[in-house]
Amino acid sequence: EDKVVQSPLSLVVHEGDTVTLNCSYEVTNFRSLLWYKQEKKAPTFLFMLTSSGIEKKSGRLSSILDKKELFSILNITATQTGDSAVYLCAVKDNYGQNFVFGPGTRLSVLP
Amino acid sequence: GAGVSQTPSNKVTEKGKYVELRCDPISGHTALYWYRQSLGQGPEFLIYFQGTGAADDSGLPNDRFFAVRPEGSVSTLKIQRTERGDSAVYLCASRDPSTDTQYFGPGTRLTVL
Repeated sequence: EDKVVQSPLSLVVHEGDTVTLNCSYEVTNFRSLLWYKQEKKAPTFLFMLTSSGIEKKSGRLSSILDKKELFSILNITATQTGDSAVYLCAVKDNYGQNFVFGPGTRLSVLP
Repeated sequence: GAGVSQTPSNKVTEKGKYVELRCDPISGHTALYWYRQSLGQGPEFLIYFQGTGAADDSGLPNDRFFAVRPEGSVSTLKIQRTERGDSAVYLCASRDPSTDTQYFGPGTRLTVL
């Protein structure tokens, strides 16, 4: 059964800090890993990663995948209060079309 | 363009009642997913439609839960004889076939008293 673990589950930082969120997974036949940001109800898409070692970047956010060690990290530099949210990691395998989500990391950025 | 929409945004019902939750996916997205999210947890897969048919309903917790998508667009999640444990946010997502990425609706917060 596919499994996604995220750490830490909760994180409190101050504006300007850099944070690294972790996602490790167990998937029988890996296809892709996705990161989402959830502020209220709807998760919003951040990145999709399919290949190891290729960094995806969007502004202050970046992410990279290691398919050998079965994990991904999401980095946020120069954090702002607007970055406060739950960050979700999900994986998809090649067999079905189902996405398996981790529990999320709740990030709080204090002014 | 328009995103995934869900109605109602909030639903309060009494134990034992029947509820219907609606999802309107992004136009052109043939794949549609329902998830349930409890407080402090990630979304939990319920059911996935490809077109009109349920391609994978393995996440439905029991036979009180049922979903339909009769014309391959709008979907309705139906819950019979609701229980307090059904209280959660029910999220719908549709998948862009060109990028294989899911896009979520705002969810319906269901509260069973």
